Amino acid sequence: KNQVEQSPQSLIILEGKNCTLQCNYTVSPFSNLRWYKQDTGRGPVSLTIMTFSENTKSNGRYTATLDADTKQSSLHITASQLSDSASYICVVSDFNDMRFGAGTRLTVKP
Amino acid sequence: NAGVTQTPKFQVLKTGQSMTLQCAQDMNHEYMSWYRQDPGMGLRLIHYSVGAGITDQGEVPNGYNVSRSTTEDFPLRLLSAAPSQTSVYFCASSYSVGFREKLFFGSGTQLSVL
Repeated sequence: KNQVEQSPQSLIILEGKNCTLQCNYTVSPFSNLRWYKQDTGRGPVSLTIMTFSENTKSNGRYTATLDADTKQSSLHITASQLSDSASYICVVSDFNDMRFGAGTRLTVKP
Repeated sequence: NAGVTQTPKFQVLKTGQSMTLQCAQDMNHEYMSWYRQDPGMGLRLIHYSVGAGITDQGEVPNGYNVSRSTTEDFPLRLLSAAPSQTSVYFCASSYSVGFREKLFFGSGTQLSVL
């Protein structure tokens, strides 16, 4: 069983709408959690990093949350744009390794 | 500043053929790594290097070799390609080994083994 589970697997929303992507993990001990954005045909690009003491962090229209007690993170996208269409990958690190989620494929339609 | 450059972008091989996937970075990063990405699965680590002359195995190293003779280059060799190696391969680098560091990824190589 993957130590990092993402949901939903895929999501279609209309341009301008908000959405929330989920990441649940069992990685222990916990060091940090990153969200990456992967455009089609490209490599992933880091959006944000969450450490144990951080609950919320924003990067423009992207807001990540972390609940280290329940081992859950979410990525909220506000006022979606066509360019937000991509896969979003959650990566959780202990102090020796990184574990990658399978990603959520987001499609934003006009 | 090119970042992480991978070549080729696409490759088709026959079973048993060998080839080398190239990866170069111009950011003077210590850490370089190779991943494969398969549908429905997270990226899986094949091999990694913490500096020139130092390499180690990741989660799925069988069938692949690496070397790191310079800081900039980290080629991945398939010695005898198998259909199970059909995948998208990503090279990544980061400034240091610490797992707080963000990874910089190349654009990927889509490999098909027939």
